[in-house]
Amino acid sequence: DAKTTQPPSMDCAEGRAANLPCNHSTISGNEYVYWYRQIHSQGPQYIIHGLKNNETNEMASLIITEDRKSSTLILPHATLRDTAVYYCIVRVGARDNQGGKLIFGQGTELSVKP
Amino acid sequence: DTGVSQDPRHKITKRGQNVTFRCDPISEHNRLYWYRQTLGQGPEFLTYFQNEAQLEKSRLLSDRFSAERPKGSFSTLEIQRTEQGDSAMYLCASSLGLGADTQYFGPGTRLTVL
Repeated sequence: DAKTTQPPSMDCAEGRAANLPCNHSTISGNEYVYWYRQIHSQGPQYIIHGLKNNETNEMASLIITEDRKSSTLILPHATLRDTAVYYCIVRVGARDNQGGKLIFGQGTELSVKP
Repeated sequence: DTGVSQDPRHKITKRGQNVTFRCDPISEHNRLYWYRQTLGQGPEFLTYFQNEAQLEKSRLLSDRFSAERPKGSFSTLEIQRTEQGDSAMYLCASSLGLGADTQYFGPGTRLTVL
């Protein structure tokens, strides 16, 4: 079973920030928080990941709470092309040699509207 | 394009036939993963390789399924005696096998069993 909880759907106006929440209350100290998205009929696309600190890249920002029990993915200026299913996943890294398979939940279906 | 590639992108077959899919990972990625995704669901882990060694198999991988990665580079997934329930998107991902071990996905192979 997935270790994360996400709202099933969200709407966002084009040009506004999209804030996607994720709860992972049972996260272990060695588990990373990953975000992927999947546009219809395509393979999942990696967005960002973090362990403890907030992270930012060209696609998004990841805010992890201090207790690491929840996080928020922020798309600063959503466009229509950001319409997709967004998956929040927690998993260990390679050093822990546990295979690191990704366990996907249902994700959040984000609809960006004009 | 140096991303993960999969071939074919689409496959239509009749029930009872055998099918084989190929995945070419990102160069120098040691780990290669196979996932399956049915309509409306998130991807589900099938199996993964560390170089040429198959280290983990899901119980979803019945005895009709076999995966190989003979030289630690490309991988094949074969399904024998296909059933209509095998209709799905088959996704391949690869990773370095180091650090956070981010997985990058290919476009997938869409299998339809008639």
